[in-house]
Amino acid sequence: ETGVTQSPTHLIKTRGQQVTLRCSSQSGHNTVSWYQQALGQGPQFIFQYYREEENGRGNFPPRFSGLQFPNYSSELNVNALELDDSALYLCASSSRVAGAPNTGELFFGEGSRLTVL
Amino acid sequence: KNQVEQSPQSLIILEGKNCTLQCNYTVSPFSNLRWYKQDTGRGPVSLTIMTFSENTKSNGRYTATLDADTKQSSLHITASQLSDSASYICVVSPQDQDRGSTLGRLYFGRGTQLTVWP
Repeated sequence: ETGVTQSPTHLIKTRGQQVTLRCSSQSGHNTVSWYQQALGQGPQFIFQYYREEENGRGNFPPRFSGLQFPNYSSELNVNALELDDSALYLCASSSRVAGAPNTGELFFGEGSRLTVL
Repeated sequence: KNQVEQSPQSLIILEGKNCTLQCNYTVSPFSNLRWYKQDTGRGPVSLTIMTFSENTKSNGRYTATLDADTKQSSLHITASQLSDSASYICVVSPQDQDRGSTLGRLYFGRGTQLTVWP
């Protein structure tokens, strides 16, 4: 149990649709990171949110967008779904201290398995 | 290009045996290296985290080593158990020179799929 919860756990969409995935971070954590993990691959960094602002982004197109709320929970939105978006989407929460070395612990949720048909 | 390469891609061992997984990286500037265990369809769980100055770190039957000069790490598992069957992922975190800390911007290897047979 990491204290990070994601929903839904599984969902199926069709090409062109939009999807919203949700993540509740561990209590006290102010940073949420999102990752996409295709089958048989390592997770790929999508973006990170710190205190409700995007703080770093990987090589993902603008149709991948996010949001962080005042309670530090987060959403990942994907528009115009493509077949290649089928993957396990992971979120991870952490507690960031500005200017401190990034050696803190990351706690991952169980993921949301998205299938695009 | 920042990359993390792991070997072998998959490994099968008998229960009770030891094994060693390898990780090579090109991420620079380097901040820390982590090993995670990921069961199929689940989120990764942290095993160890090592900074530049650390050579070895243990967590129960798991021992990780780091050679920051050659940019290599290994994860040694002793007296394997059936529950050790999982993917083991090497993760490298770069220093963020602009914003001080981007804890989530990590580079993941593809993982080594370990299967332990009875």
